[in-house]
Amino acid sequence: GENVEQHPSTLSVQEGDSAVIKCTYSDSASNYFPWYKQELGKRPQLIIDIRSNVGEKKDQRIAVTLNKTAKHFSLHITETQPEDSAVYFCAASEGGADGLTFGKGTHLIIQP
Amino acid sequence: DAGVIQSPRHEVTEMGQEVTLRCKPISGHNSLFWYRQTMMRGLELLIYFNNNVPIDDSGMPEDRFSAKMPNASFSTLKIQPSEPRDSAVYFCASSTPTGTAYTGELFFGEGSRLTVL
Repeated sequence: GENVEQHPSTLSVQEGDSAVIKCTYSDSASNYFPWYKQELGKRPQLIIDIRSNVGEKKDQRIAVTLNKTAKHFSLHITETQPEDSAVYFCAASEGGADGLTFGKGTHLIIQP
Repeated sequence: DAGVIQSPRHEVTEMGQEVTLRCKPISGHNSLFWYRQTMMRGLELLIYFNNNVPIDDSGMPEDRFSAKMPNASFSTLKIQPSEPRDSAVYFCASSTPTGTAYTGELFFGEGSRLTVL
């Protein structure tokens, strides 16, 4: 089955700086790569996703890049703000009706 | 739409007791997923259903765990007998994987926090 590795497990950045979280996956058949944000005590919620026919996608301060050859994808958050503090999960799937395989999560801390 | 609804939100029970967690997916969604979240193992997929049919239960940890989906609007996850290592947050999620409405997004419920003493 699919295996998703995520790094780092904890990331602390100064407010206003950029944050980058990286993930690798094992199954070359995976073609859907979403990112979820989970605030303390809350449910995971989708923030951005990318499909294998696209190399990069951007939505305001967040962007995701995908390298299918190397089987890795990354989340980039620019101009970080206090409300960006949360746990971020990457995930991968073959699409269709299959479940997502999640990485272990990155605890992002924004220092004032 | 009220979103995915889970109950109970919190459950504290003693080892050996039966636990039943419930989920109501978003109306019109025909895929339902049960995940377990712990600090050590993160978010683990336990089982998922498409059109009420279990597709993959390879993530169910042991025979003590069972899940059913008797109709499109209700699913249960049962643990019998429960053990302390089952303590976790159990999330139910739904999505629409078929037809042009498919986005791939999972919509999670608020989760059920289970503590087994």
